Amino acid sequence: ILNVEQSPQSLHVQEGDSTNFTCSFPSSNFYALHWYRWETAKSPEALFVMTLNGDEKKKGRISATLNTKEGYSYLYIKGSQPEDSATYLCAGTSGTYKYIFGTGTRLKVLA
Amino acid sequence: GAGVSQSPSNKVTEKGKDVELRCDPISGHTALYWYRQSLGQGLEFLIYFQGNSAPDKSGLPSDRFSAERTGGSVSTLTIQRTQQEDSAVYLCASSWGTQTSGNTIYFGEGSWLTVV
Repeated sequence: ILNVEQSPQSLHVQEGDSTNFTCSFPSSNFYALHWYRWETAKSPEALFVMTLNGDEKKKGRISATLNTKEGYSYLYIKGSQPEDSATYLCAGTSGTYKYIFGTGTRLKVLA
Repeated sequence: GAGVSQSPSNKVTEKGKDVELRCDPISGHTALYWYRQSLGQGLEFLIYFQGNSAPDKSGLPSDRFSAERTGGSVSTLTIQRTQQEDSAVYLCASSWGTQTSGNTIYFGEGSWLTVV
């Protein structure tokens, strides 16, 4: 069973700033890493699924990288906007149906 | 078709009462999950259904919690004799299958439960 940790727990940035946060997981028994964005009163929305070491995914101003050897993934947001305010969750899986979620990073973008 | 649908959206109940939370997964999805998030905690796995297989109930926190899935589709999570620590958002999710955990799971908007 994976233990997934995220940092920081929360952060506030100014509109236009770029930011990043971290998801850490045990590198052994790793299969896939998922990122979700969860806005208040909405359902968590899937952003990325990554499986290969060195994977880099991009969706608009948001991108993510994966290092399976050292057990971490970074999520980057370029030029943050108020609509990026949400909780960002990562989940690790080890080849089974169990998705182990971190506690999330709560992002607030100030206009 | 439509996304994962959950009801009720919000529920306030008195301590000791029973509650039922309903989940209607995406049509055709064989896998269904229940998670919950309590204040300050991460998403906690509760139960997993896959087709007609026996569910994985290993995440249910106590015997006051039960869940069923009828006809391989709609699922109901029941909490008996609710306690204040049951207050949380209960999220249902579904996906196509389980052969790899690279599948995306799709969440509903959650049922926000408050026990007073």
